[in-house]
Amino acid sequence: GQSLEQPSEVTAVEGAIVQINCTYQTSGFYGLSWYQQHDGGAPTFLSYNALDGLEETGRFSSFLSRSDSYGYLLLQELQMKDSASYFCAVSPDRDDKIIFGKGTRLHILP
Amino acid sequence: EAQVTQNPRYLITVTGKKLTVTCSQNMNHEYMSWYRQDPGLGLRQIYYSMNVEVTDKGDVPEGYKVSRKEKRNFPLILESPSPNQTSLYFCASSPSRDEQYFGPGTRLTVT
Repeated sequence: GQSLEQPSEVTAVEGAIVQINCTYQTSGFYGLSWYQQHDGGAPTFLSYNALDGLEETGRFSSFLSRSDSYGYLLLQELQMKDSASYFCAVSPDRDDKIIFGKGTRLHILP
Repeated sequence: EAQVTQNPRYLITVTGKKLTVTCSQNMNHEYMSWYRQDPGLGLRQIYYSMNVEVTDKGDVPEGYKVSRKEKRNFPLILESPSPNQTSLYFCASSPSRDEQYFGPGTRLTVT
């Protein structure tokens, strides 16, 4: 089957850096996306990687290694408002289906 | 304002009573999709559409129907809802499948 694995929970301290990992096992691969979802809200798009390497958007960066079927989301200078769930998502093949991970709940301590 | 809208936002219904959840986007996106979100299971794709009159099954299509007669609208139809379809539903649209914009969600309870 096709699956994405990410930790269920991560805890970090305000002002610190945290990394959320995502490994995938899919029949094919076109790119890895990341979404943020606050409690009671809708998911919002954060970043997308199609090629190996690091993409930076402000305090958030996303990394992809296609050879390792692995990516991560890096959040720097953590703020309390970053407390949310984070989902990775992959489109595994050309029929455009999308598979999401189960999500990582990020807890931030003051 | 660019947005995806869903209606209704909350719905309580009974088993077997047909219902439709509407989804509309004003961004001229070709790709639209429906997801359900259940605790511990993340987001699971129900159906998606690459363009008008083109729809395809996601991972959990059983018990659902969709249609895409216009680019902006992508309704989700439950012909005979059952309690296991109680969930939080999201519609999303995208200029490409990899950057999706989600609607506010519809919380459905089937008793």
